[in-house]
Amino acid sequence: NAGVMQNPRHLVRRRGQEARLRCSPMKGHSHVYWYRQLPEEGLKFMVYLQKENIIDESGMPKERFSAEFPKEGPSILRIQQVVRGDSAAYFCASSPPSGVGEQYFGPGTRLTVT
Amino acid sequence: KQEVTQIPAALSVPEGENLVLNCSFTDSAIYNLQWFRQDPGKGLTSLLLIQSSQREQTSGRLNASLDKSSGRSTLYIAASQPGDSATYLCAVSWGAQKLVFGQGTRLTINP
Repeated sequence: NAGVMQNPRHLVRRRGQEARLRCSPMKGHSHVYWYRQLPEEGLKFMVYLQKENIIDESGMPKERFSAEFPKEGPSILRIQQVVRGDSAAYFCASSPPSGVGEQYFGPGTRLTVT
Repeated sequence: KQEVTQIPAALSVPEGENLVLNCSFTDSAIYNLQWFRQDPGKGLTSLLLIQSSQREQTSGRLNASLDKSSGRSTLYIAASQPGDSATYLCAVSWGAQKLVFGQGTRLTINP
């Protein structure tokens, strides 16, 4: 059973460009979470999605950030008009629809904004 | 506010020692608590998960305990090895959804 897949692993964008980060959850997992780890800071929750639904986006910046988890395909975290402060590691986690809520993390996407 | 704190921020011990990492949390009404390991530049590896009804979990040389009433969890590592060097993260869920992370303890095991 493959783990959580994220791509790309590294992404470089110039200020003002768009960044698209993709996450494929583990097989059988229908819950996806995105977290951000800023340099020298801890991991912070961004958004929790189930198929075709955003359940909790309390950690998402109000502007420029959006997330989706379509019926088919990976979850996408989209950052429009990136700024230097968006440079961070973005981690995706998934969990099954039932159980004790254990989350399994992907390897992360390291975004660098130049 | 629901917060997680890990002390110390960094710890260095000689190989072979047993050690304890600490995690404290506000609001004892947790759903579960997970301990993770993160190597530099890498993702998170789940080590142990303790449900709110449990007192401890064990995996190999690792033992995690949970005391909800005092808002504390400890991760005990027996017979430490250089390969245990990493950052250890404690994360708490208060609703089976998002995790709130501590800042981590950076552990160095010296050969």
